[in-house]
Amino acid sequence: LAKTTQPISMDSYEGQEVNITCSHNNIATNDYITWYQQFPSQGPRFIIQGYKTKVTNEVASLFIPADRKSSTLSLPRVSLSDTAVYYCLVGDRNTGRRALTFGSGTRLQVQP
Amino acid sequence: EAGVAQSPRYKIIEKRQSVAFWCNPISGHATLYWYQQILGQGPKLLIQFQNNGVVDDSQLPKDRFSAERLKGVDSTLKIQPAKLEDSAVYLCASSLEVARGQYFGPGTRLTVT
Repeated sequence: LAKTTQPISMDSYEGQEVNITCSHNNIATNDYITWYQQFPSQGPRFIIQGYKTKVTNEVASLFIPADRKSSTLSLPRVSLSDTAVYYCLVGDRNTGRRALTFGSGTRLQVQP
Repeated sequence: EAGVAQSPRYKIIEKRQSVAFWCNPISGHATLYWYQQILGQGPKLLIQFQNNGVVDDSQLPKDRFSAERLKGVDSTLKIQPAKLEDSAVYLCASSLEVARGQYFGPGTRLTVT
């Protein structure tokens, strides 16, 4: 079971780029990496998913090095509304049989 | 596109009572998940369905928790009898396939007194 480790909290200011790194040393060949965002009193929201190298969508970018033992979620030009908890999730790509484990997440606080 | 629906949104019960939660996933999503989220922690997977079959229920306390997904669409999660430590938000999520990102419902906040 791949365990993830993230910083407990991060602070930033509006307009800055924020990079949140997740460590997953025991990631398996079939595991994929997914990031979620969660606001208070809401369910998590899917942000981005990747397997290797770089993935980009309209919200964020995900960087995964060749050894896949870590990944970095990059949020360009954050705003106050990006204040939330961000979770890195590692799960089996093919069968889904491995438990999908959310860690404790990273609490991002964006200041004006 | 309608999101994942859950009901009720809030429930207060006394310990040893029973409770049931309902989830309607996004149309066409074959995979359905139930999570438990205790305040200050990340969601913990309880059970995962693929259509109406169970893929993973290794973290479901089967002595008191049960879940079913009839006809591969709606799902119910039941707790009987409830304990104080079951106080949490119960989240339902669905995905198109097991390897795709999950879409979560708003959750049901359960308080056991």
